[in-house]
Amino acid sequence: AQRVTQPEKLLSVFKGAPVELKCNYSYSGSPELFWYVQYSRQRLQLLLRHISRESIKGFTADLNKGETSFHLKKPFAQEEDSAMYYCALNRGSGNTPLVFGKGTRLSVIA
Amino acid sequence: DVKVTQSSRYLVKRTGEKVFLECVQDMDHENMFWYRQDPGLGLRLIYFSYDVKMKEKGDIPEGYSVSREKKERFSLILESASTNQTSMYLCASSTGPPNEKLFFGSGTQLSVL
Repeated sequence: AQRVTQPEKLLSVFKGAPVELKCNYSYSGSPELFWYVQYSRQRLQLLLRHISRESIKGFTADLNKGETSFHLKKPFAQEEDSAMYYCALNRGSGNTPLVFGKGTRLSVIA
Repeated sequence: DVKVTQSSRYLVKRTGEKVFLECVQDMDHENMFWYRQDPGLGLRLIYFSYDVKMKEKGDIPEGYSVSREKKERFSLILESASTNQTSMYLCASSTGPPNEKLFFGSGTQLSVL
């Protein structure tokens, strides 16, 4: 079965320190992975997708098929990065719903 | 910009009541979804719909039903609310396939007493 694991419920880092939010997935096919973010009092929104290989707000994520991981990284954390982060997996080809991990709350301490 | 509107931000209901949660999107998206968001459990899919009058069960459909009579509106129904349905409910829409970019509503915090 398709599954997304985010092992950390809470991650606290100091401002300026590197950040890595972990995400591991279980899927037998060719995965499509995403990171969604929810800032305080805002809607959940797409942060980035692995297909695009983009950097958004300084965050990057690389798909590692060997380790079945899609960790989210940023070299220097900012206070405004404090939010809830969800990793998500497209559970099949075509029109199938995303499956989300349980989320990691990132707290950046000034 | 896509707007997904959930009719209530907060709702308080009693056990056994029938509860309707409404969601409307204004971008002509084919796909609509209902998730519940619980601390430590993340987002769990309740029901989804890819077309008018069409519905599919998600991962946790028990105790819920849905209605999609018009393309822009997707309603979640709790036939007989129970305390374990106290949660934040999120509606989302997307144009697909594929279902990459979901647009979420601001959520309805439902408390069942």
